[in-house]
Amino acid sequence: DAKTTQPNSMESNEEEPVHLPCNHSTISGTDYIHWYRQLPSQGPEYVIHGLTSNVNNRMASLAIAEDRKSSTLILHRATLRDAAVYYCILINTNAGKSTFGDGTTLTVKP
Amino acid sequence: NAGVTQTPKFRILKIGQSMTLQCTQDMNHNYMYWYRQDPGMGLKLIYYSVGAGITDKGEVPNGYNVSRSTTEDFPLRLELAAPSQTSVYFCASSYPDRADGYTFGSGTRLTVV
Repeated sequence: DAKTTQPNSMESNEEEPVHLPCNHSTISGTDYIHWYRQLPSQGPEYVIHGLTSNVNNRMASLAIAEDRKSSTLILHRATLRDAAVYYCILINTNAGKSTFGDGTTLTVKP
Repeated sequence: NAGVTQTPKFRILKIGQSMTLQCTQDMNHNYMYWYRQDPGMGLKLIYYSVGAGITDKGEVPNGYNVSRSTTEDFPLRLELAAPSQTSVYFCASSYPDRADGYTFGSGTRLTVV
């Protein structure tokens, strides 16, 4: 499985934008970039995913580098409820499994 | 539409006991997965299944067994519980193309004493 690298932790102020980076230098052409977040004492939840183009949804935006070796999850206005662990994973639709790393713990300060 | 349902939510086992963690989904997802999450750590894949009758090992399969007799159910069996199996266990499911991502259950917190 292609690996991803994320910072262990990040901090943000409430109502400011947050950019969460992810490196995936060994990504293959058929790997999709997925982001999940895990709130305290809950299971992970899907946030967003993309292949090559930038993506937007109601929760966040995903910016993918032109060479696809890195991506950034963008929360446009952080709220206290966005404090969570954020996981960036690669999913190959030709493979049945994917592995999660340790993620980035986001702290949002009021 | 309940999504992914895991039972029980909490369980305490004694060393050497056995138990089955139940997981069922009502989304007609072909793929199902079991992960464990130790305190302060990420998720480790235990076993996964791409369809009824088909299962395969993940990163940390030792001490566990699974079966997939129906599309809906994917139980995880611990035969001889050990303290190292104290963890939170998450079940997840998805379509093969993962276009909507994984849907996770709320987890089972297991303590082995």
